[in-house]
Amino acid sequence: NAGVTQTPKFRVLKTGQSMTLLCAQDMNHEYMYWYRQDPGMGLRLIHYSVGEGTTAKGEVPDGYNVSRLKKQNFLLGLESAAPSQTSVYFCASSHTGSSYNSPLHFGNGTRLTVT
Amino acid sequence: GEDVEQSLFLSVREGDSSVINCTYTDSSSTYLYWYKQEPGAGLQLLTYIFSNMDMKQDQRLTVLLNKKDKHLSLRIADTQTGDSAIYFCAESGATNKLIFGTGTLLAVQP
Repeated sequence: NAGVTQTPKFRVLKTGQSMTLLCAQDMNHEYMYWYRQDPGMGLRLIHYSVGEGTTAKGEVPDGYNVSRLKKQNFLLGLESAAPSQTSVYFCASSHTGSSYNSPLHFGNGTRLTVT
Repeated sequence: GEDVEQSLFLSVREGDSSVINCTYTDSSSTYLYWYKQEPGAGLQLLTYIFSNMDMKQDQRLTVLLNKKDKHLSLRIADTQTGDSAIYFCAESGATNKLIFGTGTLLAVQP
């Protein structure tokens, strides 16, 4: 049981390049989330999804797009990377909306550097 | 808006107790959580407390909630080097999405 798997683990981009981060979960969870983690700022929600085919904006959605074509996958896209998007990105999933009996399960993160 | 704050760093000696503090703003939060992040890994749920409770104990962990002051704390008894990690406080805000604090780096000195 792999849980939540993120690929790639590391990536370096030049300003203006595009890329897609892939998140896959094998727990049949309905909800999936993308967070970014920056020093001194904790985790901030970028986008989330409450089920296959749905997406919604989180706290810091600008510069990112997402898609949830299959229940088990949640993709995060950067169309034109900027240095401000240098961060560690975490994907998470939960059975329902977050609660004590439906905790978030996190992937191990993708470290992205934009030069 | 919703906001969760924590001190950034705590250093303790092995065997001592650690107390990590958190303040939050959303009084409607139903649950408050503590997550642990070990180096190079994602966050894992450590424990939680329902908003109508004052205290919850789980082995070496004690969670205290002061709802009036919107203050949450995590006490780790007999802290071990394996407890070294970043600890995140989180509240379930009005939209039922987790709002995370900034994280507290706990360094345990042998």
